[in-house]
Amino acid sequence: DQQVKQNSPSLSVQEGRISILNCDYTNSMFDYFLWYKKYPAEGPTFLISISSIKDKNEDGRFTVFLNKSAKHLSLHIVPSQPGDSAVYFCAASPRRGSQGNLIFGKGTKLSVKP
Amino acid sequence: DTGVSQDPRHKITKRGQNVTFRCDPISEHNRLYWYRQTLGQGPEFLTYFQNEAQLEKSRLLSDRFSAERPKGSFSTLEIQRTEQGDSAMYLCASSSTGHEQYFGPGTRLTVT
Repeated sequence: DQQVKQNSPSLSVQEGRISILNCDYTNSMFDYFLWYKKYPAEGPTFLISISSIKDKNEDGRFTVFLNKSAKHLSLHIVPSQPGDSAVYFCAASPRRGSQGNLIFGKGTKLSVKP
Repeated sequence: DTGVSQDPRHKITKRGQNVTFRCDPISEHNRLYWYRQTLGQGPEFLTYFQNEAQLEKSRLLSDRFSAERPKGSFSTLEIQRTEQGDSAMYLCASSSTGHEQYFGPGTRLTVT
């Protein structure tokens, strides 16, 4: 049973527009959430994170929103650039103060078209 | 800071052989993690070290798998008697906080 779900396997966006990637989770004990970007043949690269005590975190073009009541988070990229084309993984950390083994979704492949 | 490094980047082996992978974490990070990723999936947690102590192991880590971090710096992951189902990308990550984890480039294992 998947605890972190990314229901859209792919997303295509025009350059300059907003990209919105979605993630749902089932375990209410998750207390920290992260987004990673992955290019082919490379390891995942950390992008942005959010604690469960917040509902928004922003870093440059990237903003993560957390809706705890809906058990839903989203990553907004604006404006989208062709270099953003990659697979994006949502991840959750199971317990506050835990060792932090992350639980990942299956990823969403983002294509940004010039 | 050179980031997390892994060696080798690619390994092709025959079924039944043993393989060993190495991970060098970011130098000031005391937490080190191993994950496995197969096609179409996200990374799956295998095991975790804090300094030299192995504190957590996933059910995915069968008795053919062993990991060490002898001096609390680099780590090795050994797979004995490899099977075709072991073919995957093996990722190492390190962290100082236990939350944000920084991944290496991975070792792609192909078992023929």
